[in-house]
Amino acid sequence: DVKVTQSSRYLVKRTGEKVFLECVQDMDHENMFWYRQDPGLGLRLIYFSYDVKMKEKGDIPEGYSVSREKKERFSLILESASTNQTSMYLCASSFSVAGANVLTFGAGSRLTVL
Amino acid sequence: DAKTTQPPSMDCAEGRAANLPCNHSTISGNEYVYWYRQIHSQGPQYIIHGLKNNETNEMASLIITEDRKSSTLILPHATLRDTAVYYCIVRVFYNQGGKLIFGQGTELSVKP
Repeated sequence: DVKVTQSSRYLVKRTGEKVFLECVQDMDHENMFWYRQDPGLGLRLIYFSYDVKMKEKGDIPEGYSVSREKKERFSLILESASTNQTSMYLCASSFSVAGANVLTFGAGSRLTVL
Repeated sequence: DAKTTQPPSMDCAEGRAANLPCNHSTISGNEYVYWYRQIHSQGPQYIIHGLKNNETNEMASLIITEDRKSSTLILPHATLRDTAVYYCIVRVFYNQGGKLIFGQGTELSVKP
């Protein structure tokens, strides 16, 4: 069964800390994504990557950066965490077949910034 | 990307068919219709997609109107485990990226 694994299910950090959220997929997918999900706002795309060392900004990249040094791993970095970055973070990877971009999501990482 | 409109919530009796509508009146000819769902505290899960023709898989059926301005996701025999938020998304197919934009979705409650 295909898997997207997010390293931490729950994290609590302090304002100003540097935060790393790790995501690993075992499906050899080219594309990987980071979303955040907040009540009333739905899922919003932060960054995505369609190849190693490639990255594209999503709709809300401010305050975040990403790293994709290996195909299977896509990291989300909060350089200086702030309370408004308290959220559920969802990583996904996708393959393209028969006209579809099918995303497989991880279980999510719930980050609380105090 | 074409915008989608879904009812915010729906109820369905267990064992009955759940029919979830989606309006996408500004869809263009090369945009696909995707459906995902998200069960509470989990990541979204792919259900089905289509372009013009109706589609069926082990999870659901997708009915797309002839003018492609709306579609319906059908869960033929809803169970309590189908209680979730269902997202309808329209998007051009991309070899790279293929980012999908999620709206607010429909919260489906399946009741005993």
